[in-house]
Amino acid sequence: GQQLNQSPQSMFIQEGEDVSMNCTSSSIFNTWLWYKQDPGEGPVLLIALYKAGELTSNGRLTAQFGTTRKDSFLNISASIPSDVGIYFCAGLNTGNQFYFGTGTSLTVIP
Amino acid sequence: DTGVSQNPRHKITKRGQNVTFRCDPISEHNRLYWYRQTLGQGPEFLTYFQNEAQLEKSRLLSDRFSAERPKGSFSTLEIQRTEQGDSAMYLCASSSTWGEQYFGPGTRLTVT
Repeated sequence: GQQLNQSPQSMFIQEGEDVSMNCTSSSIFNTWLWYKQDPGEGPVLLIALYKAGELTSNGRLTAQFGTTRKDSFLNISASIPSDVGIYFCAGLNTGNQFYFGTGTSLTVIP
Repeated sequence: DTGVSQNPRHKITKRGQNVTFRCDPISEHNRLYWYRQTLGQGPEFLTYFQNEAQLEKSRLLSDRFSAERPKGSFSTLEIQRTEQGDSAMYLCASSSTWGEQYFGPGTRLTVT
């Protein structure tokens, strides 16, 4: 099935640094979601975006719905060790089908 | 706990056997989704229910796979004549709108 292009594939950062990742698609999406997944567990919803240009925060996390409706961005400020995990974007297209990104693996070095 | 629950969490089966997984969604959610996730990949959509009606099925869902949601509450996913390629994490999610989907912990299937 289709998967969204997510980058970077992996990141190794020092504790306290900021993190940026993005997700792109060749088609338009009506909704963007960002999830975090720990090994052996299901994805946990972090942020949901519903309008082009929308900027939404959840604590140290900020996500944006791209103005072209074909991309989305997630930023994590002042990273901490518990931010470690795999971050997935997900998009709902005009056909009401959900697609997930390929994931960004984040490692935070204390 | 009012989150999505899935049972069993782990299942090991021999090739050719049938397996059935259960998902209990968040109680007020009328939409229920099944996904499959393999190592290093994001979840891939399998099928979707609105109440008891199965409204969409992915081409990934071969004829060995069947899903039901008989009373619009819990759902089951059955895989018949399992193959080694069926080994994956099977995730269930529920939502009350087209937006936010909430996932269960998943069922990890290993076919030997």
